[in-house]
This record gives sequence, C-alpha cells and structure tokens, in this order.
Amino acid sequence: QAQLVESGGGLVKPGGSLRLSCAASGFTFSDYYMIWIRQAPGKGLEWVSYISSSGSYTNYAVSVKGRLTISRDNAKNSLYLQMNSLRAEDTAVYYCARAVTGTAPFDYWGQGTLVTVSS
Amino acid sequence: EIVMTQSPATLFVSPGERATLSCRASQSVNSNLAWYQQKPGQAPRLLIYGASTRATGIPARFSGSGSGTEFTLTISSLQSEDFAVYYCQQYNNWPPYTFGQGTKLEI
Repeated sequence: QAQLVESGGGLVKPGGSLRLSCAASGFTFSDYYMIWIRQAPGKGLEWVSYISSSGSYTNYAVSVKGRLTISRDNAKNSLYLQMNSLRAEDTAVYYCARAVTGTAPFDYWGQGTLVTVSS
Repeated sequence: EIVMTQSPATLFVSPGERATLSCRASQSVNSNLAWYQQKPGQAPRLLIYGASTRATGIPARFSGSGSGTEFTLTISSLQSEDFAVYYCQQYNNWPPYTFGQGTKLEI
C-alpha cells in the first residue's frame, strides 16, 4: 500500500525559510512524478510544483516561482520543498502527491503538513 | 491557464438521494479530468480519473461522465460518508494543473 508522509511544517516569520519533506513507502518512488499541492485555511486546492521521476524536470506555480524549490532523493525515497522568502499568503496545509506521469491524476496523497507564516 | 468552474458551490441533499455535481473547463481538456473527495481534516482522495474511470476501491455509486469542457460527477444514492467537498482537476494542459473551487455536499 502506497504511503506518503509529510513533515517539516510549522510557524515561521515572514521572510523566513522552511524545508518540507515527504517520505514515500510501499511503491517504487523513482517511477513516479511527485507533486506539491497546498490548501490555505478554508480554501480550495492549489497546485504548487512538480518534479519528474528522475528529477530532471521541475515546474512551479507563478505564485511561488523563485521562492520555492522542489527536489527529490530517489535513493532515500524522499521528496522535498525548500521554502524561502515566505509570505503570509503561503500559509496553508502542504500535501505531497504522486502521479504516474505528468498527464495523470494524483492517485495518492499524504496527510499534509501545516505551514503558518506570521509575525 | 485553464480555469475550472464547479457548480453549485453547495448542494443540499438527503441520504439515499442522487447528487449531480458539475465541472466546466475554460477550454477542452479532452478526458483528462479527475474528481477528488475531501472530508474535514483529511487529504483529498482520488475518486474518478479519465473523466469516467473509478479509482481503486471507489464504490460503484460514484460515476463520472463528460469530455471536452463539460463534466459531471454523479453519486447515485448518497450515504452518510459521502457528505464532503468534491473537487475536479484537469491534467491535460499543464503546468499549471488546475482545480475547481469545490462543491460541498451538505445534508
């Protein structure tokens, strides 16, 4: 059974940094695209970033480009999101999810980790 | 960017009734459309992909239809555990992947 477990969320001041992790198990991690999606309190879902199975290709939502960096370590079955220059509007639950290709649904999601940006 | 629009925002139904949720794309997404269910405090769960294929373990009372720009999620006989928020998402033209704003099913 596939499992994704996020960690690293917390309270950070505006302008600060945070690194989220997503630990994968129960499937061949290196076969899958990985995605970060976020959900602000009481709001809908917003795609944040994706990374290809090899890590060669990445892309970002306009709202986070230049501030957030996605990466992965296939040897450790782990996905990361380095978050710099954080703003209040980045406050959200951050989910990691997997997809078999870029043109595929997100078939497994983690439980999410809350990031709060506040002074 | 493809804009996904769901209607209605809230749908009031009774257990045992049929629920029909709509999703419209601002341009064609072919059949690259997924539906997710989200319960309070939980992560979204994939229900339907390819516009009409049920994901593993999803009960047959959930069905999806449509292609191009108009899509429908139907729940044939609502159970108590089906009251949740439902999102559609296109994965045809990306980036960005885009979601609808959600439809909340309420008793």
